[in-house]
Amino acid sequence: GIQVEQSPPDLILQEGANSTLRCNFSDSVNNLQWFHQNPWGQLINLFYIPSGTKQNGRLSATTVATERYSLLYISSSQTTDSGVYFCAVLADTDKLIFGTGTRLQVFP
Amino acid sequence: GAGVSQSPRYKVAKRGQDVALRCDPISGHVSLFWYQQALGQGPEFLTYFQNEAQLDKSGLPSDRFFAERPEGSVSTLKIQRTQQEDSAVYLCASSLVPRGFGYTFGSGTRLTVV
Repeated sequence: GIQVEQSPPDLILQEGANSTLRCNFSDSVNNLQWFHQNPWGQLINLFYIPSGTKQNGRLSATTVATERYSLLYISSSQTTDSGVYFCAVLADTDKLIFGTGTRLQVFP
Repeated sequence: GAGVSQSPRYKVAKRGQDVALRCDPISGHVSLFWYQQALGQGPEFLTYFQNEAQLDKSGLPSDRFFAERPEGSVSTLKIQRTQQEDSAVYLCASSLVPRGFGYTFGSGTRLTVV
């Protein structure tokens, strides 16, 4: 089945710093989403981005489907950005396959 | 409702006990998914419903796991004779249409088997 890997596994930042999270996938996908799981466990959908670039406030994402990767950019990070970031893909089935996650800690 | 609601929020079960976890999806959402998330891991697919039909149950780890969605809305995940390795957070998600982009997750049920 399709493999989804994320890097880095852990990231520690000071408030105000910028960061880039990467998601690599092993096969063609037709649906890629980024999620943030907050410290209370709630998964929040950030982006639906099978290709191209989208921006939402301090967050933006780019997917290059032909090269099988997606990037999530966080600018001017805040402590509330802490948590785990997952990318998830849909291949030829209806189920989302989640990546390994990046755990982000932002300190004041 | 406005979101996906799961109950109970926490469940402690003695080994060998049966448990039932409930998911109330967003009204009108066709697709419903169950995921299992072990500590420090990403969510892993368990099963998928389109309306009342269970289209994919390939992720259920054993025949002790059973899910149903009899009227195409509320779903129940049942685990029989719980084992310690069943301890995890069980997440439910719904989507308006199959293969859509708007997956909404519930807050999960944290199951601890002692």
